Amino acid sequence: QSALTQPASVSGSPGQSITISCTGTSSDIGNYKYVSWYQQNPGKAPKLIIYDISERPSGVSNRFSASKSGNTASLTISGLQADDEADYFCSSYSRSTTLLFGGGTKLTVL
Amino acid sequence: EVQVLESGGGLVQPGGSLRLSCAASGLIFSSYAMSWVRQAPGKGLEWVSGISGSGDSTNYADSVKGRFTISRDNSKNVLYLQMNSLRAEDTAVYYCAKGRGSSWYKGLDVWGQGTTVTVSS
Repeated sequence: QSALTQPASVSGSPGQSITISCTGTSSDIGNYKYVSWYQQNPGKAPKLIIYDISERPSGVSNRFSASKSGNTASLTISGLQADDEADYFCSSYSRSTTLLFGGGTKLTVL
Repeated sequence: EVQVLESGGGLVQPGGSLRLSCAASGLIFSSYAMSWVRQAPGKGLEWVSGISGSGDSTNYADSVKGRFTISRDNSKNVLYLQMNSLRAEDTAVYYCAKGRGSSWYKGLDVWGQGTTVTVSS
């Protein structure tokens, strides 16, 4: 029941694009379309920003996009803004545990 | 506006019990699966348990299986998490979260502010 693997941190300058990876296995990301991404600001609850691999909930900026290839999902934030600075978590349906989260990635906007 | 609000957290001794509640509003509660997700201090998110809209299907993380029980009262729009045999490693902020539909693994789109559980002697 290992967590999905994310880089501990990524950084980028305002206006740039960054990509956060989320690596799992064929028991989770590789065989299911139920990959989600969450944004969490310090001291706040997580916020759903992507579901079903690449779908955005209503109200989420189109600067957030996502995809999946094999056992790895990716979140891209384009046109980086200061208030994008937050922790980002991926999650996936898992055959063994139903729902698995990644360890989280801290995004720093330089 | 759909809202969920957790309560029931606190300080409990190892081996003790606690029941968390989550009151939901602004939705047809029985139509949605719900989940509990926790976050230990300075750590990432960990899914704890999920329950279907009707309450007849539940699932648990291995770390809490046999100790925690999820349930819901659809007549009161309330979700519960009964936590027994608590351990220090259960210390965390516990979030109640609404599933996007009938499943808790297709995205959790409404989260509460969390309730803090501290297990310590």
